[in-house]
Amino acid sequence: NAGVMQNPRHLVRRRGQEARLRCSPMKGHSHVYWYRQLPEEGLKFMVYLQKENIIDESGMPKERFSAEFPKEGPSILRIQQVVRGDSAAYFCASSPQERKNTGELFFGEGSRLTVL
Amino acid sequence: AQTVTQSQPEMSVQEAETVTLSCTYDTSESDYYLFWYKQPPSRQMILVIRQEAYKQQNATENRFSVNFQKAAKSFSLKISDSQLGDAAMYFCAYKTSGSRLTFGEGTQLTVNP
Repeated sequence: NAGVMQNPRHLVRRRGQEARLRCSPMKGHSHVYWYRQLPEEGLKFMVYLQKENIIDESGMPKERFSAEFPKEGPSILRIQQVVRGDSAAYFCASSPQERKNTGELFFGEGSRLTVL
Repeated sequence: AQTVTQSQPEMSVQEAETVTLSCTYDTSESDYYLFWYKQPPSRQMILVIRQEAYKQQNATENRFSVNFQKAAKSFSLKISDSQLGDAAMYFCAYKTSGSRLTFGEGTQLTVNP
């Protein structure tokens, strides 16, 4: 059973470009979470999605950031017009329906975004 | 707002010895979950141990155990018989009925041979 798969593992963008980060949850998991980790800091919640629905986006910046989890395919975290402050590791996590309230998350290895 | 505080940015321990990592949290909720996650150099977050707040018994997973003091809002992690593979960043985390986990800032654990 493959774990949570994130790609790309490393992404370099210039200021003003767009970054797209992809996450495939574990098989059978219908809940996806995105977290951001700035250098030397803990993980900060961004958004929680189920298939085709955004459940909680209270941690997501209001501008330039968007997330989706379509019926088919991976979840996508999209950052438009990136700035240097967006440089961070972005982690995706998933959980199955029966554990969605227990906080047990299965994390991917993260995507490290560097903005030049 | 819920907060999680890890007051030890760095800790070190000799191989085979025991080390305790501290964590305190602030909440007005009575029902919640607490976690310790490990982040090795590969950067993948790995769940180490979990505690439900309504359970008085401290959780234990092999060499890892917690000291959960609900009244004091304290949730420390004890690692016994430390191994080189335990070296990592350790994050304490809190979750209530909502969807998000709130993480502390982490404690970098070094294991000396």
